[in-house]
Amino acid sequence: SQQGEEDPQALSIQEGENATMNCSYKTSINNLQWYRQNSGRGLVHLILIRSNEREKHSGRLRVTLDTSKKSSSLLITASRAADTASYFCATVMGPTGTASKLTFGTGTRLQVTL
Amino acid sequence: DTAVSQTPKYLVTQMGNDKSIKCEQNLGHDTMYWYKQDSKKFLKIMFSYNNKELIINETVPNRFSPKSPDKAHLNLHINSLELGDSAVYFCASSQGAGGYTFGSGTRLTVV
Repeated sequence: SQQGEEDPQALSIQEGENATMNCSYKTSINNLQWYRQNSGRGLVHLILIRSNEREKHSGRLRVTLDTSKKSSSLLITASRAADTASYFCATVMGPTGTASKLTFGTGTRLQVTL
Repeated sequence: DTAVSQTPKYLVTQMGNDKSIKCEQNLGHDTMYWYKQDSKKFLKIMFSYNNKELIINETVPNRFSPKSPDKAHLNLHINSLELGDSAVYFCASSQGAGGYTFGSGTRLTVV
């Protein structure tokens, strides 16, 4: 069954505002990753956070992980029109290695308007 | 450019036909994958290969057969195509505990 649920399903904000997306998952994980997908394109890896980490930053991105609540959030600060895309969380459950696989959430569609 | 490249980008075919999608990565990664994205944008793993060896085989009809001639290539052959096979198929690769690199996708439409 599907691992992750994302909230909200869709988010519309104005340029310059912050965007927060949440992801919940069901089982213990090794790490959690966030990906961006522009319309009609492939997925681009944004950030990876390990199960023993609580927060990670990359440029305008901030990811948090709460393993007790089995949830993660992605914050995009000072959003730009170019951030318009779908954002997916994905979890890796077992030890990383040859048998690991990404299990994706449902995605959040972010629209940033001028 | 270092990347995961897959061909064709678009594939329109009739029910019952057999088709193949090719994928190549020049990143030196050991593991390659096929994912399917349905019309609701839900992504699900189909297969994973590590150094030409099948590692993950999710519940996929046996009409789908992956082939990995070497660790840089993972092709997907689909027999007797059905309407429900219409989707976007993504190839990806990874190395160790890092993030995955995805190809740009193949949009398959079965008519």
